[in-house]
Amino acid sequence: DAGITQSPRHKVTETGTPVTLRCHQTENHRYMYWYRQDPGHGLRLIHYSYGVKDTDKGEVSDGYSVSRSKTEDFLLTLESATSSQTSVYFCAISRPQGIYGYTFGSGTRLTVV
Amino acid sequence: QQPVQSPQAVILREGEDAVINCSSSKALYSVHWYRQKHGEAPVFLMILLKGGEQKGHEKISASFNEKKQQSSLYLTASQLSYSGTYFCGTEIGKEDKIIFGKGTRLHILP
Repeated sequence: DAGITQSPRHKVTETGTPVTLRCHQTENHRYMYWYRQDPGHGLRLIHYSYGVKDTDKGEVSDGYSVSRSKTEDFLLTLESATSSQTSVYFCAISRPQGIYGYTFGSGTRLTVV
Repeated sequence: QQPVQSPQAVILREGEDAVINCSSSKALYSVHWYRQKHGEAPVFLMILLKGGEQKGHEKISASFNEKKQQSSLYLTASQLSYSGTYFCGTEIGKEDKIIFGKGTRLHILP
C-alpha cells in the first residue's frame, strides 16, 4: 500500500482540550489534505497543503489549524475540541498532476466527550 | 460547492446494473470516483478529465458531460464485492482540491 499513515487511529478526548492528529507519508508528494467524514455529509475538506509551509483553508476550517514544516508530515490541530468535532478524520495525498487520484490514510476516529 | 449525488442509496441483486449520478453547479475541470467499504478508507476508482470522455475499470465505467457538469458511474453485472459507498469528487481547476459529494450507498444482495 501507499506510504501514508495516520496517528492515532482512535482517540477519546475531553471538551476544551487541544488535540493534534498526525499524517505521515513516505511518497514525497507535495499535496496533502485533511477531510472529516460524518454520516449524511460525506467527506468535507478541512485544510490542504501544496507544499512545506503552504497551507490553505477548506470548506469546514473553523476550529482547526494545520502545520506542515516537512514534506512528509501534515498535522491537524483542534485548538479546543468540541463535541461537534467528533468525527472520522482522513488524510490524503496526491501528485501534482492529479490524474492518479488521491490516496487516503486509514483514518483517525476522534470522540470528544 | 458540494456536488450532488443521486440516488442516495441503491439495493441490487447480484448481476444487476446500477447507475450513480453526480452533478455540479460549477464548471468542472475533472471528476473523480471513489469507493469506500465500511470501516475502511476511500479508494480511487477513476478520473475523467475531458468532456464526453468515458473510462472503464473492469465492469465499472464512467462518463463525463463537461457541458452539463455531470458525470455518471455505471456498474454492470454487479458483484457482491461492489457493495460500499461511492463518492464523486469534483475539481474546478487543474490541480485544484477535490470537493466530494455526500455519497451513494450501494448494497448488493446474493
